Amino acid sequence: LAKTTQPISMDSYEGQEVNITCSHNNIATNDYITWYQQFPSQGPRFIIQGYKTKVTNEVASLFIPADRKSSTLSLPRVSLSDTAVYYCLVGSNYGQNFVFGPGTRLSVLP
Amino acid sequence: DTEVTQTPKHLVMGMTNKKSLKCEQHMGHRAMYWYKQKAKKPPELMFVYSYEKLSINESVPSRFSPECPNSSLLNLHLHALQPEDSALYLCASSQEGQGLADTQYFGPGTRLTVL
Repeated sequence: LAKTTQPISMDSYEGQEVNITCSHNNIATNDYITWYQQFPSQGPRFIIQGYKTKVTNEVASLFIPADRKSSTLSLPRVSLSDTAVYYCLVGSNYGQNFVFGPGTRLSVLP
Repeated sequence: DTEVTQTPKHLVMGMTNKKSLKCEQHMGHRAMYWYKQKAKKPPELMFVYSYEKLSINESVPSRFSPECPNSSLLNLHLHALQPEDSALYLCASSQEGQGLADTQYFGPGTRLTVL
């Protein structure tokens, strides 16, 4: 099972770009990297998923280096409403591993 | 429709009560999940149903009893709970339920308080 390590918390200011890095040194060949966002008292929400290089959608970008041992979630120009916990999950469609790591608590300040 | 609904939103029950949590999705997903989340902790998997069959039970105490009447519905029956079972109970669904690469769609959760 690929274990993930993320910063416990981060602070940022409105309008800044935020990068949250996740380490997953023992990622397997079939594993994908998925990020979820969770607001207090709500269920997690899918943000983005990637396998290698760069993936971008309307919400975020995900950068994955060639060795895939880490990944970086990039949130452009954050606002107060981006204050949430961000979870990095690594896994494949095999093995039925459904473990969430501790996540990164992002606080966006005015 | 990419929504997972859960009822009730809040539930307060005594240790001798029997209650049920309900979850519904209409995305055609074949996997459904129950998670438990304590304050400031990540969600912890309890059960996974894949194609209406229980595929994972994470050693959950028998006072929690899941039921999947059909591919759109998932229930969690609660009986003789303890105060430490108070938590946010999250339901999720995904296409296949084989692993973390399968995107999960979460409901808003049921906030359970056991007195």
